[in-house]
Amino acid sequence: GAVVSQHPSRVICKSGTSVKIECRSLDFQATTMFWYRQFPKKSLMLMATSNEGSKATYEQGVEKDKFLINHASLTLSTLTVTSAHPEDSSFYICSARHPQGTNEKLFFGSGTQLSVL
Amino acid sequence: DAKTTQPPSMDCAEGRAANLPCNHSTISGNEYVYWYRQIHSQGPQYIIHGLKNNETNEMASLIITEDRKSSTLILPHATLRDTAVYYCIPVVTGANSKLTFGKGITLSVRP
Repeated sequence: GAVVSQHPSRVICKSGTSVKIECRSLDFQATTMFWYRQFPKKSLMLMATSNEGSKATYEQGVEKDKFLINHASLTLSTLTVTSAHPEDSSFYICSARHPQGTNEKLFFGSGTQLSVL
Repeated sequence: DAKTTQPPSMDCAEGRAANLPCNHSTISGNEYVYWYRQIHSQGPQYIIHGLKNNETNEMASLIITEDRKSSTLILPHATLRDTAVYYCIPVVTGANSKLTFGKGITLSVRP
């Protein structure tokens, strides 16, 4: 099946630094990708919808200047957590939609565990 | 999107069928019912979806009540690897569709 690669799988950073997470669709072109975050023992929360070649659409309450999303190509979307703080520590997950389908063709990355010290 | 209610957890014995219920009484006519699961520390995985009719694939069966207010996901022969959080998600399909995850139900398969 289609594969979405997310990198890095785990990152530890100091407070105040920025961290970039990459999400790649390996065998299909994705015009739409999604970014989620998940706190321990909680459900996934949609942060934003990333559309290739245009600005991301952020969900209510998500700071767009804090979480920068770039979808510069049909196979790559990046999420940059700027000036990270301990409260940004979370599990971040991306997903990419295959062009030949809708939600049954939504493939998820394996997630990135961010720990901010 | 419709709200869902799922029991917080359930367990079943390995090799037995696991029947996972979901209540979506406010589902609208154009919303499909999607089921995803998330194994610990991994990204979610699509399982199955349906609109009105019951559906079956290599992973599971989906039974949707006639009034569409509830559904049941059936794993016919649960294995230890099926231990995961299962999410039932009513959603309108289309280019602007996006998934909103609820709390899900934690299935624990015991040896």
